[in-house]
Amino acid sequence: GEDVEQSLFLSVREGDSSVINCTYTDSSSTYLYWYKQEPGAGLQLLTYIFSNMDMKQDQRLTVLLNKKDKHLSLRIADTQTGDSAIYFCAERDNNNDMRFGAGTRLTVKP
Amino acid sequence: NAGVTQTPKFQVLKTGQSMTLQCAQDMNHNSMYWYRQDPGMGLRLIYYSASEGTTDKGEVPNGYNVSRLNKREFSLRLESAAPSQTSVYFCASSEAIIYEQYFGPGTRLTVT
Repeated sequence: GEDVEQSLFLSVREGDSSVINCTYTDSSSTYLYWYKQEPGAGLQLLTYIFSNMDMKQDQRLTVLLNKKDKHLSLRIADTQTGDSAIYFCAERDNNNDMRFGAGTRLTVKP
Repeated sequence: NAGVTQTPKFQVLKTGQSMTLQCAQDMNHNSMYWYRQDPGMGLRLIYYSASEGTTDKGEVPNGYNVSRLNKREFSLRLESAAPSQTSVYFCASSEAIIYEQYFGPGTRLTVT
């Protein structure tokens, strides 16, 4: 079946940029999402990108989509300790089914 | 707005016991979902309700039943809990099936 993959861990220093990567296999993806999950909490939608776009910027967040390679990334500029969380990539296909990656645990060191 | 709320937050069951997880949303959303989250895996869809009065199976429906009680509430029932159902369960809602989903805080269920 179709799949969404992410590396499980990322560690950066406060003030650096973080880049979280995601690959997916479904060529019929319509939307791609980034969610943030803080400890003991549900998933919070951070941003999303339509599959015919290649970039979306929202304050400190930049989403890049390479549709040919089925690669999605989330860049967080000036990463803060409050950005420490698990980040989930998700894609929606043309049947409106959602698939989630396993999540990347971002640790921000002071 | 409270958004999406779930009860209980934590639950421990013995194998074979039954229970219902409750979910409610106050955003007037049409669509609601139940997911489970297991370590090292993404969220997996158990059941969803595209609109009031309809429910459909997701990726991992076995061992679960759902009820869309009204537009606000969507419950998940485990009739005979098994240790494999130990997980964190998330409810979500969206304005319609094509729109972004908003998640509740989760219910951590342990089956011994």
